[in-house]
Amino acid sequence: EVQVAQSGAQVKKAGESLRISCQGFGYSFTTYWIGWVRQVPGKDPEWMGIIKPGDSDTRYSPSFQDHITISADKSINTAYLQWSSLRASDTAIYYCAILVGAIYYWGQGTLVTVSS
Amino acid sequence: EIVMTQSPAALSVSPGERATLSCWASQGLNSHLAWYQQKPGQAPRLLLYATALRATGVPARFSGSASGTKFTLTISSLQPEDFAVYYCQQHNNWPWTFGQGTKVEIK
Repeated sequence: EVQVAQSGAQVKKAGESLRISCQGFGYSFTTYWIGWVRQVPGKDPEWMGIIKPGDSDTRYSPSFQDHITISADKSINTAYLQWSSLRASDTAIYYCAILVGAIYYWGQGTLVTVSS
Repeated sequence: EIVMTQSPAALSVSPGERATLSCWASQGLNSHLAWYQQKPGQAPRLLLYATALRATGVPARFSGSASGTKFTLTISSLQPEDFAVYYCQQHNNWPWTFGQGTKVEIK
């Protein structure tokens, strides 16, 4: 059974850095795309970027490309989403989703709150 | 970028009635389309993948179909727990994209 576990909620100040994580179990971690989705409360979800841990092939949505970094550590089945300098507008819930074949498995979400 | 357009934005339906939700893609998707249900405070729940295949545990009243670049989610007989926002999402081309959602409300 595929399981996805995300790190806990974070409260930060604008300008600070942050890394959140997503751990996958029950499937071949290196083979399938892991993606990050942003959802501002009350708004539609948006794909930010994806990574295939086996070869670290990483793709970013143009809207997020210059502001985030996505990475993965195959040794611990974990993908990361990080910011070097947060903005108040980064306040949102961040989901990771793993695409195994054609089926998505979603994490529970990580709430990130950034104060100005 | 593939643009996904959902219609209607909101739908008022009585329990027990049929609901039909539409999603248009700006180009072909090779069946790489998923449907999600989202309730307040919850993560999106995968309902259908590959256009028409139900995810584990999804009731048979949910079905999907496609005609060219038009995709349809049908809920045959709405139950109280089905009132939610529904999103379509393509993963044929990067960036993957969601539609803007259809809110199914109680009439």
